[in-house]
Amino acid sequence: AQTVTQSQPEMSVQEAETVTLSCTYDTSENNYYLFWYKQPPSRQMILVIRQEAYKQQNATENRFSVNFQKAAKSFSLKISDSQLGDTAMYFCAFSLYGGSQGNLIFGKGTKLSVKP
Amino acid sequence: SAVISQKPSRDICQRGTSLTIQCQVDSQVTMMFWYRQQPGQSLTLIATANQGSEATYESGFVIDKFPISRPNLTFSTLTVSNMSPEDSSIYLCSVEPTTATDTQYFGPGTRLTVL
Repeated sequence: AQTVTQSQPEMSVQEAETVTLSCTYDTSENNYYLFWYKQPPSRQMILVIRQEAYKQQNATENRFSVNFQKAAKSFSLKISDSQLGDTAMYFCAFSLYGGSQGNLIFGKGTKLSVKP
Repeated sequence: SAVISQKPSRDICQRGTSLTIQCQVDSQVTMMFWYRQQPGQSLTLIATANQGSEATYESGFVIDKFPISRPNLTFSTLTVSNMSPEDSSIYLCSVEPTTATDTQYFGPGTRLTVL
């Protein structure tokens, strides 16, 4: 069975600084997808970034980027120039077939606070 | 992506009663998913809802407790039956647009409190 582990229950960062959230996963499969979702206090789950395991290039979306280490089964999220609106729970998620056919397996989340 | 709405956004219910949560999408989607997020916890998949067929439930979730309907490609309902305080959670629906993005997008969630 696949598992997703987020070892940092809470983190804080000063506004405009950079922060990295950690995620590791366990699978014996070779083809899969990894996601970071953000859940602000409004509780809406928002997709932040997505990575296909077969792509060696790390995904980026504006201030958000990932460091995908397939051999180490590591998928960290870097947030640059942190903004107050980045305050949220961040969930790392894994899917074998992509979101449409498979189960999204979530980590327990990291609560990020951006301080002014 | 898709625009997803849920009704109600929150509710407070008495134990033993049932609540039906609606999920509406602004475009046709192949699959819809229902998740539960217990207080302070991560998300757990309850079931996958396919149009025209019975929902597929994950281990630990049964149809009698969480009946699901999927009458068309833009709408689904989840009923939480015979509620107890342990059912107090956020219930979220998600979809993957038929454009096959391999990515799920979530509704705003329904916060349920059972007294």
